[in-house]
Amino acid sequence: DAGVIQSPRHEVTEMGQEVTLRCKPISGHDYLFWYRQTMMRGLELLIYFNNNVPIDDSGMPEDRFSAKMPNASFSTLKIQPSEPRDSAVYFCASSPAESSYNEQFFGPGTRLTVL
Amino acid sequence: GQQLNQSPQSMFIQEGEDVSMNCTSSSIFNTWLWYKQDPGEGPVLLIALYKAGELTSNGRLTAQFGITRKDSFLNISASIPSDVGIYFCAGQLYSNYQLIWGAGTKLIIKP
Repeated sequence: DAGVIQSPRHEVTEMGQEVTLRCKPISGHDYLFWYRQTMMRGLELLIYFNNNVPIDDSGMPEDRFSAKMPNASFSTLKIQPSEPRDSAVYFCASSPAESSYNEQFFGPGTRLTVL
Repeated sequence: GQQLNQSPQSMFIQEGEDVSMNCTSSSIFNTWLWYKQDPGEGPVLLIALYKAGELTSNGRLTAQFGITRKDSFLNISASIPSDVGIYFCAGQLYSNYQLIWGAGTKLIIKP
């Protein structure tokens, strides 16, 4: 079975550019999470969705960040405009409903570098 | 906000040694999870604990849910080279379903 798929795996961009990260959750999973990982702050939950609906976006750093889930098999995290401090590894994870999203399955991550 | 204290931050061990790491919190959790992250990959769930006092094994890994519900430990017996990586604890609060993550324990095996 395919796991969580993220693209791109690596992204290098210049400050001020728009960045879009993509995620395909595991089929049948009702919850989708976006995390950011840095050395300084560790794993931070940015936002999560239940059945395509955003439930909690309190972890989104600021208005430059936005996330959408137009359907059950696709989500995007957009940063516009990007800044060097956004450089991090961004993970998408999904979870089946019956586990009450305890057991989150992570994608391989997108390593973002903003110059 | 809620915090998990995970220790140690890193460990240098010889192959074959046993490893122990733990997480503590000032909050009560209803679930403890242990994940491992290999370089360049996302975290992978190792063990999930759902009851206070629960002791669960997964091969050479053993984890326990503390009686107070405020702590958990993970032991790895007879470490091997593929055990290297970063181990994260995560707790789920009673009050909501969000996971709170520890800062990770980096395991390094001395050559």
